[in-house]
Amino acid sequence: SAVISQKPSRDICQRGTSLTIQCQVDSQVTMMFWYRQQPGQSLTLIATANQGSEATYESGFVIDKFPISRPNLTFSTLTVSNMSPEDSSIYLCSGDRGTNNEQFFGPGTRLTVL
Amino acid sequence: AQKITQTQPGMFVQEKEAVTLDCTYDTSDPSYGLFWYKQPSSGEMIFLIYQGSYDQQNATEGRYSLNFQKARKSANLVISASQLGDSAMYFCAMRERSNYKLTFGKGTLLTVNP
Repeated sequence: SAVISQKPSRDICQRGTSLTIQCQVDSQVTMMFWYRQQPGQSLTLIATANQGSEATYESGFVIDKFPISRPNLTFSTLTVSNMSPEDSSIYLCSGDRGTNNEQFFGPGTRLTVL
Repeated sequence: AQKITQTQPGMFVQEKEAVTLDCTYDTSDPSYGLFWYKQPSSGEMIFLIYQGSYDQQNATEGRYSLNFQKARKSANLVISASQLGDSAMYFCAMRERSNYKLTFGKGTLLTVNP
């Protein structure tokens, strides 16, 4: 399986600021995804990061709030914009090779917004 | 409608005993995959086991096995010989071939007692 790294691993931010999370995969993947896990909750898909084009967002998530880039097959960023305390969550990057049985996750970024 | 249902918010097991974590799913897609992940308190998502809808045999990975009952749409995770390090949240997830996204259940918090 591939290895995914994320930066930063955690951060504490002030309300109204923005944070960009980086995700690096050690080998090429077909698809990359960004998930949010609010405290005590399950994972919710934010968007599918598409190489060289706009991400595909799930219902309830918009590009202005969560801009995503994927300039190549192994790297993606998620920005959480104009943060509020409700954005305090773990944000996880995930990669998929396109085969049936491989979808793996990065270690997550634990974000706290004050 | 819930696509993945985990009815056990919490489970307790004695060290060295076996435990079954329940998962039922709902799909009309004949081709799908079922995943189990472990999430320790550190927050990372650790892939445990995968079962494809067309797989004839139940999946096994070391101490983990998946009790796949297709007609009942259940995919229970069995952990044998529980260890203290197995204490974590466990998530069941499904990916349908028609929709390349993982949908997660709410999770089960497993506590292994010494």
